[in-house]
Amino acid sequence: TQLLEQSPQFLSIQEGENLTVYCNSSSVFSSLQWYRQEPGEGPVLLVTVVTGGEVKKLKRLTFQFGDARKDSSLHITAAQPGDTGLYLCAGEDGSSNTGKLIFGQGTTLQVKP
Amino acid sequence: DVKVTQSSRYLVKRTGEKVFLECVQDMDHENMFWYRQDPGLGLRLIYFSYDVKMKEKGDIPEGYSVSREKKERFSLILESASTNQTSMYLCASTFLRSLEDEAFFGQGTRLTVV
Repeated sequence: TQLLEQSPQFLSIQEGENLTVYCNSSSVFSSLQWYRQEPGEGPVLLVTVVTGGEVKKLKRLTFQFGDARKDSSLHITAAQPGDTGLYLCAGEDGSSNTGKLIFGQGTTLQVKP
Repeated sequence: DVKVTQSSRYLVKRTGEKVFLECVQDMDHENMFWYRQDPGLGLRLIYFSYDVKMKEKGDIPEGYSVSREKKERFSLILESASTNQTSMYLCASTFLRSLEDEAFFGQGTRLTVV
């Protein structure tokens, strides 16, 4: 089974600060996804990165896929309290040919006003 | 709107009981998943199914079984509930035909075993 390691596990920052969350693996992934989960809800997809070196922007969020397709990062500019939540990276386990979707441990982000 | 519906938001069961968690999706997805979510451990895959009657073990299948008799329904069964199975359980479904297919989640079932 391929593994996804996220860091940091917990981040508490003030409104207006910038932050970066990392998702790393020793294995190559054909694509990686980022999800955001709010308390009491299931995760919701933010973005999928497919091409090595790809950068995608979603308003203040910037997602990057590593050149070797083993890692990804999520950068938030000028964080706001509404960004508070659990951020999860996910990818399809290439050791299974049946679409097995695995997740990292998650990064809990708290943005204080 | 894609919908993944889990039968209960909250459940309290006694140790030793057989527990059924039900999940239904309305988008004709082939793949369905059951995850367990605990603080600091992220989402851990219990079982998933890639077709009717087809299943594959995830990372933590011990103490659980699953059933998929119809494409839209995927059930998680705790054969004999134990206190260490107290957790949040999330069901998801996806096509996963292309690299950009999204997984859709239910709202979760918070199970407490006493």
